[in-house]
Parts: sequence; C-alpha cells; structure tokens
Amino acid sequence: AQSVSQHNHHVILSEAASLELGCNYSYGGTVNLFWYVQYPGQHLQLLLKYFSGDPLVKGIKGFEAEFIKSKFSFNLRKPSVQWSDTAEYFCAVNEAGRRALTFGSGTRLQVQP
Amino acid sequence: GAVVSQHPSRVICKSGTSVKIECRSLDFQATTMFWYRQFPKQSLMLMATSNEGSKATYEQGVEKDKFLINHASLTLSTLTVTSAHPEDSSFYICSASPLIRGTSGGVDEQFFGPGTRLTVL
Repeated sequence: AQSVSQHNHHVILSEAASLELGCNYSYGGTVNLFWYVQYPGQHLQLLLKYFSGDPLVKGIKGFEAEFIKSKFSFNLRKPSVQWSDTAEYFCAVNEAGRRALTFGSGTRLQVQP
Repeated sequence: GAVVSQHPSRVICKSGTSVKIECRSLDFQATTMFWYRQFPKQSLMLMATSNEGSKATYEQGVEKDKFLINHASLTLSTLTVTSAHPEDSSFYICSASPLIRGTSGGVDEQFFGPGTRLTVL
C-alpha cells in the first residue's frame, strides 16, 4: 500500500521568508501528485497537481512543486510567503488509473506578520 | 469552478441515533464520490469510494454496516452513520470526481466539500 510522508508538522515563518514543505511517497508505479491547502474554517482547495510532463509545476498563489522521481518526492515551494498563506497544507498521491487519494499527515504553516 | 456542498455542516446527536450526511456536486456530474474522515490535527483518511449505481467500496477497517453509503444519482451521495457512538465523532468530508481524460489515460481531480462536523453525545 502506498503512503505519503510530510516531515514538517508545524512550520512558523515570517512574512517574505521562503517556504519549502517536504513530501515523500512510497509507491513504485506511476502516480499523480497533488498539494491541497485548507485555510482556517474552509474546505480543501487544490494548489497544484502533477500528472505527467514537466516535473516543475506551478500552481495558484505563487506556489510551485517539483516532482523528483528518483527521490519519490514532491516538495512544495514558495519564494516569499504572506500572512494569508497561514493554513494547513496536505500532500496527496494516487496511483495512475485509481481515483482514491492517499493524504499525508499535513503541515501547519503559520506566517507571522 | 466545480462546487461540492455538504449538508449539514454540523450535527450533534445522541448516542444510538443515526445521522445522514449529504454530498452534492452542484455544477458537474460525478461518477465517483469519496468519503473521508478527519480526526483533530490529523490527515484525511479515506473511508469509502462511492460509485453511482453500484455498491460502495470500503477501505479496510471501515464497517460497511455502520457507515451506509448511497450514491443514487450523478450529483448526490449520502453517508449514514448508523447507531452513532461518541467514538464516531469526527469531521466527515466528501469529494467528487468528474473524469478528465489526460495524456496518461483517465486522470481525475477531486473537488472537496466543506465537511460535516459530527458530535455524538
């Protein structure tokens, strides 16, 4: 069974700092990769996704992620965070052809003004 | 964009009662809907996959007789927690998936509902 690991459980940054959240998965086959964000009191929203092609994907709100197949990683990055980025971030994976998602444990990002 | 609603958003019930949660895709047809459970400060755990017109597929460890899922139409799936107990208190989230054909075959994006907080007294 596949699993998803997010190593950073709680990250505190100051505004304008750079962000990188780690995500590793364990599955040897073809996968689709996602990052979701959950703002306080709101539902999950898709930040970005990787299905195939360019391993560097750009999402909404200035976020990007890089798929490194050899490292089974899909880290999320943003060069300069804002207070409004305070939220919970979830990495998720599904096997190609299977719809159900496996989520990581989430990373709580707190951006201080 | 695709919108998924859930009703109710919050429910409090007595132990032993049954609770029904609705999940609707408002502006698209969803052949597949998913039900997740989220415990405080934890990730979403898939409970079951609901396919329109057929029986739901439950994940290991999820009691199908306790968590009844019905996917009666392409826009509605319901989760009924039967004989609820305090340990069933949780945040239940549904998602709906329209099929998007991409370069790697059937590729799906899921759209999530806002969740339902169930508290069983």
